[in-house]
Amino acid sequence: DTGVSQDPRHKITKRGQNVTFRCDPISEHNRLYWYRQTLGQGPEFLTYFQNEAQLEKSRLLSDRFSAERPKGSFSTLEIQRTEQGDSAMYLCATRGQAIEKLFFGSGTQLSVL
Amino acid sequence: AQSVTQLGSHVSVSEGALVLLRCNYSSSVPPYLFWYVQYPNQGLQLLLKYTTGATLVKGINGFEAEFKKSETSFHLTKPSAHMSDAAEYFCAVSESGGTDKLIFGTGTRLQVFP
Repeated sequence: DTGVSQDPRHKITKRGQNVTFRCDPISEHNRLYWYRQTLGQGPEFLTYFQNEAQLEKSRLLSDRFSAERPKGSFSTLEIQRTEQGDSAMYLCATRGQAIEKLFFGSGTQLSVL
Repeated sequence: AQSVTQLGSHVSVSEGALVLLRCNYSSSVPPYLFWYVQYPNQGLQLLLKYTTGATLVKGINGFEAEFKKSETSFHLTKPSAHMSDAAEYFCAVSESGGTDKLIFGTGTRLQVFP
């Protein structure tokens, strides 16, 4: 257990539905990252927060995706109007200011039917 | 833009044999380099990292990697494989002094046979 919690562990949804994932970081970590990992691939960067500010978004993050980190604590990633291509493992990672190491959560596995 | 190439999506070794997982990177600035391991149903765990200084870095579980700037490589080695080393291994690069956004390779699945 790295101390980074993600909920839910698994999510099955029908195409067109909205889903929301949550990430709870290690308490003193001010930087938070979302990644997506599909089968047979490495994790791909989606977005990054420093405290509550979203500082970078990947081109992979279409208009259907939105991420928030209110008050610089937990973060949510919402996917609207899900598509089958959204099926993947969504990973959250956090780190502190001076620690050159990311701590990854176990991820949320999304299946879109 | 930064990128990572991992040669060999699958590597099989016998228990006790040398493990060598290859990683080549591309970066226009001095890179930070990482190896992560992913066991089934678990999150990614950092094995080792290179930022500056000594080019041979030692990590957990007996793994080590050597940064070779001239070859743009950061291969991962372990002298003697153990059954518990069977997992997916990812090489990653980030920009020094940047956002620490990691760019991952496609991974190498290590199988260890008795």
